[in-house]
Amino acid sequence: DAKTTQPTSMDCAEGRAANLPCNHSTISGNEYVYWYRQIHSQGPQYIIHGLKNNETNEMASLIITEDRKSSTLILPHATLRDTAVYYCIVRGPNAGKSTFGDGTTLTVKP
Amino acid sequence: DSGVTQTPKHLITATGQRVTLRCSPRSGDLSVYWYQQSLDQGLQFLIQYYNGEERAKGNILERFSAQQFPDLHSELNLSSLELGDSALYFCASSGRDRPTTNEKLFFGSGTQLSVL
Repeated sequence: DAKTTQPTSMDCAEGRAANLPCNHSTISGNEYVYWYRQIHSQGPQYIIHGLKNNETNEMASLIITEDRKSSTLILPHATLRDTAVYYCIVRGPNAGKSTFGDGTTLTVKP
Repeated sequence: DSGVTQTPKHLITATGQRVTLRCSPRSGDLSVYWYQQSLDQGLQFLIQYYNGEERAKGNILERFSAQQFPDLHSELNLSSLELGDSALYFCASSGRDRPTTNEKLFFGSGTQLSVL
């Protein structure tokens, strides 16, 4: 599975959009981009995933560049409860072997 | 609530001992994954089972073993415990169909293991 690079930490004001970038320049054609988050020491929570098209669900939007070498997770109206570590992972057919890197610690401030 | 149940939530034991962590996957899920999360290493994939069979192995130590039973619950056995085995152990499930589909993982709330 391809490796990802994310900023170590980011801050966001409550109510504003949080844009979390991820680089995955070695992604292969059959690999999906997945985003999870982990609040404190709880189990990671699935947010969204995509292959090449932009995706949106009730939690977030995922923007993938045309060359698929990077993506951005967008939380449209961040709340204090969105403070968490956000992991971007790239996954091939074998889901479990995906490596969760260090992620981005997002802090939403009042 | 992810639907994945892990027990116990906390476990305190001594070096050299053996413990068993238990995981019940979401109803209908056939795949179970085990991850270890220590303070300095992030989430490390250990092993995956699909419908009772081992499907993939990560950085799992020889002192650790796992199995998935006919009712699909899984157990992770850790033996000859060392101080460095202290970590959060997560179980995840997915794969209601084939084991290699691109499906999202649902994680349990973890077992905090403390080796003293």
